[in-house]
Amino acid sequence: EDKVVQSPLSLVVHEGDTVTLNCSYEVTNFRSLLWYKQEKKAPTFLFMLTSSGIEKKSGRLSSILDKKELFSILNITATQTGDSAVYLCAGGSGSARQLTFGSGTQLTVLP
Amino acid sequence: DAGVIQSPRHEVTEMGQEVTLRCKPISGHNSLFWYRQTMMRGLELLIYFNNNVPIDDSGMPEDRFSAKMPNASFSTLKIQPSEPRDSAVYFCASSTEGGVQPQHFGDGTRLSIL
Repeated sequence: EDKVVQSPLSLVVHEGDTVTLNCSYEVTNFRSLLWYKQEKKAPTFLFMLTSSGIEKKSGRLSSILDKKELFSILNITATQTGDSAVYLCAGGSGSARQLTFGSGTQLTVLP
Repeated sequence: DAGVIQSPRHEVTEMGQEVTLRCKPISGHNSLFWYRQTMMRGLELLIYFNNNVPIDDSGMPEDRFSAKMPNASFSTLKIQPSEPRDSAVYFCASSTEGGVQPQHFGDGTRLSIL
């Protein structure tokens, strides 16, 4: 059975701090690793990673995938209160279109 | 561009009643997914469709749950009869075809069964 594990489960930091969120996966016929941000409503797409070692960046957020060690990290630099959310990691299988989601990391950024 | 549209946003009903949740995927997306999210179990895939055809319904909890996609722009998830343990947020998502593509989520339906 496919499995995605995220750590930590929750994290409280102050504005300006840098955070690293972790995601490990065991996905049959692994194809892609996706990160989503969920505030009060729908998960919103952040990144999709398919190749090891290539960092994806979007502003203060960046992510990288290690297909050998089966993990990914999401970095957020100079955190802001608006970064407070649950960050979800999902593994995608090449044989199907399903995503297996982790339980998420609840990030709280204090002013 | 219109995103995935779900209705209703909230539903409160009594145990035993039939519940129907609706979803309109993003135009041009041919894969549609129904998820359930709870504190205990996180985000779980219930069923997904490709080109209106159900591909995998192994996540559907039991026979009380059914889903249909009569055309490319509409899907329903029905629970009959509903039970309190069905209380959750139900999300619909859609994506384009071709390997693993990012799924785009609707705002969800918050369902409470009393």
